[in-house]
Amino acid sequence: QVQLQESGPGLVKPSQTLSLTCTVSGGSISSGDYYWSWIRQPPGKGLEWIGYIYYSGSTYSNPSLKSRITISVDTSKNQFSLKLRSVTAADTAVYYCARRTYLTPSYDYWGQGTLVTVSS
Amino acid sequence: QSVLTQPPSVSAAPGQKVTISCSGSSSNIGNNYVSWYQQLPGTAPKLLIYDNNKRPSGIPDRFSGSKSGTSATLGITGLQTGDEADYYCGTWDSSLSAPVFGGGTKLTVL
Repeated sequence: QVQLQESGPGLVKPSQTLSLTCTVSGGSISSGDYYWSWIRQPPGKGLEWIGYIYYSGSTYSNPSLKSRITISVDTSKNQFSLKLRSVTAADTAVYYCARRTYLTPSYDYWGQGTLVTVSS
Repeated sequence: QSVLTQPPSVSAAPGQKVTISCSGSSSNIGNNYVSWYQQLPGTAPKLLIYDNNKRPSGIPDRFSGSKSGTSATLGITGLQTGDEADYYCGTWDSSLSAPVFGGGTKLTVL
């Protein structure tokens, strides 16, 4: 059974960088069948796609966030990571990592999510 | 403002059937597969339907999906109190070159 687990600080100051890591277990991140994704959900609101990465390192990001995002993968640790720069209160959200199947736009496994609050 | 439009809420009695709509355009639903997710309170979304009408292993056949033109529909029969959740549709948008989601629909089982 594939499991994903987010980790990282729950509180980030405005203008600083949000950094999260997703650890994948029960399956290899190097499988060519999936994209490894970040999705967020502001409190009380809907889902917003942030971006995803392929095991080869190819990344795809939400155009509205692209200038502030770096997504990377470490296949040796079976992890992938998100960095979001210059955060503001609008970036406060539950951040999920999820697995997207390569051929179709559906997310079949999700992490439990981690709440990141941007506040001084 | 979400790219895909869902009703904010729906409700029905236990044992009844409910449908949740998801409306889009030719750049998203009209030409791409739709998926549906259930988000129980305080938990991560869970995949219910993919490729318009396919159920992952373990999802009961009370849940069904369909697509017609630029709209998709999630159906739930034999409603249970445990079905109370937020439901989201999602697909790829070819114009935006990005995945998009609906704003979510809150299901209340009265």
